[in-house]
Amino acid sequence: SQTIHQWPATLVQPVGSPLSLECTVEGTSNPNLYWYRQAAGRGLQLLFYSVGIGQISSEVPQNLSASRPQDRQFILSSKKLLLSDSGFYLCAWSKGSNQPQHFGDGTRLSIL
Amino acid sequence: QQQVKQSPQSLIVQKGGIPIINCAYENTAFDYFPWYQQFPGKGPALLIAIRPDVSEKKEGRFTISFNKSAKQFSLHIMDSQPGDSATYFCAARDGGSNYKLTFGKGTLLTVNP
Repeated sequence: SQTIHQWPATLVQPVGSPLSLECTVEGTSNPNLYWYRQAAGRGLQLLFYSVGIGQISSEVPQNLSASRPQDRQFILSSKKLLLSDSGFYLCAWSKGSNQPQHFGDGTRLSIL
Repeated sequence: QQQVKQSPQSLIVQKGGIPIINCAYENTAFDYFPWYQQFPGKGPALLIAIRPDVSEKKEGRFTISFNKSAKQFSLHIMDSQPGDSATYFCAARDGGSNYKLTFGKGTLLTVNP
């Protein structure tokens, strides 16, 4: 069966510091991968998606970037965090673009 | 622009009641409508989904009703239990750019014992 892992579960970072959140999927190959941000009362907002290694599409211009160095690894990064980057970050995967998306348990990011 | 409108924002029912959560959309290119259940501190989990060629789908105590002409769909939870207390999100997928899910803002459901 397929599983998705995100770490860390929680993170507290100062403004201006860098960020690296990691997501890995097991039990499948060549998945579509997604990064979402969830803000209270606002649903889930798609940030990035990837259909293959090195292929990244951005949905929302922002202070964040994403990379996919390996088939089942997806990384969310920032060079300098802003207060507005606080939130709950979720990684998801699907077998293909027309298949259901399955989410990890997220990273709670707090910027001080 | 909010493409999927979800209501109510919160809902409280007694055990055994039938909570109903509603969603409406405008984009006729949407071709797949999933519902997700999220517990505190966890990621959303796919609960049930429907395509617009059917009007109803049941899985256990969960039922989706779909009205294509009205562009509305709803989630019904039969014989609700305290363990169903969670946030529920509806979503819609654009068949034109079929990777993208657009989510409603969520409904916080509380089922009292």
